[in-house]
Amino acid sequence: SQQGEEDPQALSIQEGENATMNCSYKTSINNLQWYRQNSGRGLVHLILIRSNEREKHSGRLRVTLDTSKKSSSLLITASRAADTASYFCATAHSGGYQKVTFGTGTKLQVIP
Amino acid sequence: GAVVSQHPSRVICKSGTSVKIECRSLDFQATTMFWYRQFPKQSLMLMATSNEGSKATYEQGVEKDKFLINHASLTLSTLTVTSAHPEDSSFYICSATSSRLSSYNEQFFGPGTRLTVL
Repeated sequence: SQQGEEDPQALSIQEGENATMNCSYKTSINNLQWYRQNSGRGLVHLILIRSNEREKHSGRLRVTLDTSKKSSSLLITASRAADTASYFCATAHSGGYQKVTFGTGTKLQVIP
Repeated sequence: GAVVSQHPSRVICKSGTSVKIECRSLDFQATTMFWYRQFPKQSLMLMATSNEGSKATYEQGVEKDKFLINHASLTLSTLTVTSAHPEDSSFYICSATSSRLSSYNEQFFGPGTRLTVL
């Protein structure tokens, strides 16, 4: 299966702390994307990192990509209660095909 | 920009009936639309990929006669669950891409449709 795996499956932290989520995948990618999903809602695109990039920032988000280890991490700094959601990585695989494959997701709970 | 809507947001139907879900790109023309299914506490599983004016490409294990996809225009795709059964109860999410908006496969997601089959 090409589906990525994320760990941890669930994460509970205090407001103000940093949250780190990891994603591993199995085949070569074109890019990797992180999405957020609030309970029972659609997905919101957070950040995209291309295969030739190693790190990317967007506000309180920091994403790293290690293609040699086929892994990525999402760091949320200074977390807020509103960050409580599920976070998914999605990989777009090499070959020009638009399809992306979603990881298993990390459920983050930020306690006020 | 890049807003995708779905209708209805929630539907309850009786076993054996058919349900149609609409996915619309409101402010852009979608090159491709995708349909996903998400079971509780699980990830999104791609069901099919559709391009305007052509037949949808279904993922392995997805019955094309049960999940009918019509992509009649660059802004509208519909998913019809035919002869729905309780095991079809799920959260159905569509997404759309546009080569004009993003060259890196960024997908814009709809808010999802919760289907409950009694």
